[in-house]
Amino acid sequence: EDQVTQSPEALRLQEGESSSLNCSYTVSGLRGLFWYRQDPGKGPEFLFTLYSAGEEKEKERLKATLTKKESFLHITAPKPEDSATYLCAVQGPGGATNKLIFGTGTLLAVQP
Amino acid sequence: EPEVTQTPSHQVTQMGQEVILRCVPISNHLYFYWYRQILGQKVEFLVSFYNNEISEKSEIFDDQFSVERPDGSNFTLKIRSTKLEDSAMYFCASSGVLAGTRRETQYFGPGTRLLVL
Repeated sequence: EDQVTQSPEALRLQEGESSSLNCSYTVSGLRGLFWYRQDPGKGPEFLFTLYSAGEEKEKERLKATLTKKESFLHITAPKPEDSATYLCAVQGPGGATNKLIFGTGTLLAVQP
Repeated sequence: EPEVTQTPSHQVTQMGQEVILRCVPISNHLYFYWYRQILGQKVEFLVSFYNNEISEKSEIFDDQFSVERPDGSNFTLKIRSTKLEDSAMYFCASSGVLAGTRRETQYFGPGTRLLVL
C-alpha cells in the first residue's frame, strides 16, 4: 500500500536556525513528490514538485531534495513567516488517476 | 496569478440535509479533484474528474456523494444526506495544461469548512 510518513511531527526553531524536514515514502512507481505549505484554516499552497532521485529544487529559504526512498525539505535561516505546516504528497503510477497521497505534515514554528 | 476559488468558505448544516460545495478551477485545467481534511488529520483524496466523468474515487466517496461540472467553469461536490462524520474541510484542486507546469501539479483552493450538527 502506498504510504507517506513525515517527521518530525512538530519542530520549533529559533529565527536563523537551519533544519530539515523528512518525508519517507513507499509507492509502486513514483510519478512525482510534492511539497505544500499549509497555514491554519487554509488550503495547501504548492511549493515544489520532484520527479526523480537526485533532483533538487530551491525557492528562497527552502530547498527540496529527493532520493529513492525519501525527500528532505531544508530550511535555511528561517524567519517567523516560515511558520506553517509543511505537507508532503506522492503520486503513483500513471493511468486513470492523478490522486495525491499525503503525509500528516510537520508543524513548524519559528520563533523570533 | 491563476487560482482555484471555492464557495462558501463556511457551511453549517443539520444532519440529513443536502449540501453543495462549489469550486472554480484554474482556467484551462483539465483535471479536477476533491479532497477533505478532518480536523487534525491528513488530507484525504475523495474523487478525481476528467473529461466530464469520474476517473477515480476513494472508499469515502460513497453513494451520498456526487460531483458535477454543470458549465465550463464550475465544479461541484454534493453530499445528499449529511452525517456528523462529514464535518471537515473540503478542498477542490485542479491540474492540467498550463504554461510552465506539468500535468501532475495540483493547485488547491482555500477550502470550505463544513460543520454538520
